[in-house]
Amino acid sequence: EIVLTQSPGTLSLSPGERATLSCRASQSVSSSYLAWYQQKPGQAPRLLIYGASSRATGIPDRFSGSGSRTDFTLTISRLEPEDFAVYYCQQYGSSVFTFGPGTKVDIK
Amino acid sequence: QVQLQESGPGLVKPSETLSLTCAVSGYSISSGHYWGWIRQPPGKGLEWIGSIYHSGITYHNPSLKSRVTISRDTPKNQFSLKLSSVTAADTAVYYCARQGRAGRDPFDIWGQGTMVTVSS
Repeated sequence: EIVLTQSPGTLSLSPGERATLSCRASQSVSSSYLAWYQQKPGQAPRLLIYGASSRATGIPDRFSGSGSRTDFTLTISRLEPEDFAVYYCQQYGSSVFTFGPGTKVDIK
Repeated sequence: QVQLQESGPGLVKPSETLSLTCAVSGYSISSGHYWGWIRQPPGKGLEWIGSIYHSGITYHNPSLKSRVTISRDTPKNQFSLKLSSVTAADTAVYYCARQGRAGRDPFDIWGQGTMVTVSS
């Protein structure tokens, strides 16, 4: 099973600032089968990025993903008020899908 | 648009079987795609439970051993989850979600989730 580690656990930033979230895998994620989700309190997760760097339908271009093999990054170029949430990475390249523990982005 | 809606008992007794259904609207599950179940214990992260293809092929998280059964009802356009021998550790919000047409796809559409508590 591929274990995903996310850092930092919490990121405290102000609106307009840049957010950089990290996701590291215990082994290489095949074909960059890595996704990022956003979850707000009381809501289901929402797919933001798939294939490590492709934005899902309707996702603003301030969200971008990068990385390969074991190191992946989600960047939010300028935080909007609605971006404060928890972000999860997920790998779907192995037969057992796994999620990271999440990074909470809160308002400084 | 495609919508998913979970339903089932909100309270299950320890050692019994948790049963949930996911009704899909706006898309026929027999047309393709994989369909999955994910859960989230209160205040914790996400755990993939298992998925089913429109053909009926299933695969699940081995951490749940043989307690998981996922099935689909094509005429009713829904799929279901059964989790046997539940304990308090199975208390969680359970989500159903759609994957892409290949087994190696993320979850692009989610239901709102349903809270299930395991308690006597």
